[in-house]
Amino acid sequence: GQQLNQSPQSMFIQEGEDVSMNCTSSSIFNTWLWYKQDPGEGPVLLIALYKAGELTSNGRLTAQFGITRKDSFLNISASIPSDVGIYFCAGQLGTYKYIFGTGTRLKVLA
Amino acid sequence: NAGVTQTPKFQVLKTGQSMTLQCAQDMNHEYMSWYRQDPGMGLRLIHYSVGAGITDQGEVPNGYNVSRSTTEDFPLRLLSAAPSQTSVYFCASSDSGGLSKTQYFGPGTRLLVL
Repeated sequence: GQQLNQSPQSMFIQEGEDVSMNCTSSSIFNTWLWYKQDPGEGPVLLIALYKAGELTSNGRLTAQFGITRKDSFLNISASIPSDVGIYFCAGQLGTYKYIFGTGTRLKVLA
Repeated sequence: NAGVTQTPKFQVLKTGQSMTLQCAQDMNHEYMSWYRQDPGMGLRLIHYSVGAGITDQGEVPNGYNVSRSTTEDFPLRLLSAAPSQTSVYFCASSDSGGLSKTQYFGPGTRLLVL
């Protein structure tokens, strides 16, 4: 089945550092979504991107829709301990189907 | 609003047993879907529904059945459980209207098939 390649798979960072992760695909998507999943919970939407080249922020989070429409990036500035969790990208394939990435597990060291 | 609710939270089955995972939403969303989450695999779409009476297969539908008799409920049935179906199952819903189709996820059902 189709999957999105997400990197890095996991990362340890110090509190206060900036974090970058990305998602790439062989397919073109019209929408890119970024989710965060806390342990024992379902994913929660962080940012949605609808247009190639779009740059959108949500607090300390900034995401970009790649020009080629085959990739997307998520940056977290000045990380804090509550940023720990798994971050997923998702691309919208067709009207109602979403393909998810394999996730980036983030651990923040205080 | 309770959002998306799922029951049970945990379940242990023996191979060959059947069961139904329940999902309900109180947001009057037309679109509902079921995903399974396995380590290192992200979320994979099992089945989805765009409205009452309408269902379709996702990426990994084999071994699962769904029905959508009401807007609120979207149960997932395992007809004959297999160890390969050990996973965490998430139900999601979204409003089909407008540009933003934000999916709201339930808390998940953790299933172990022995």
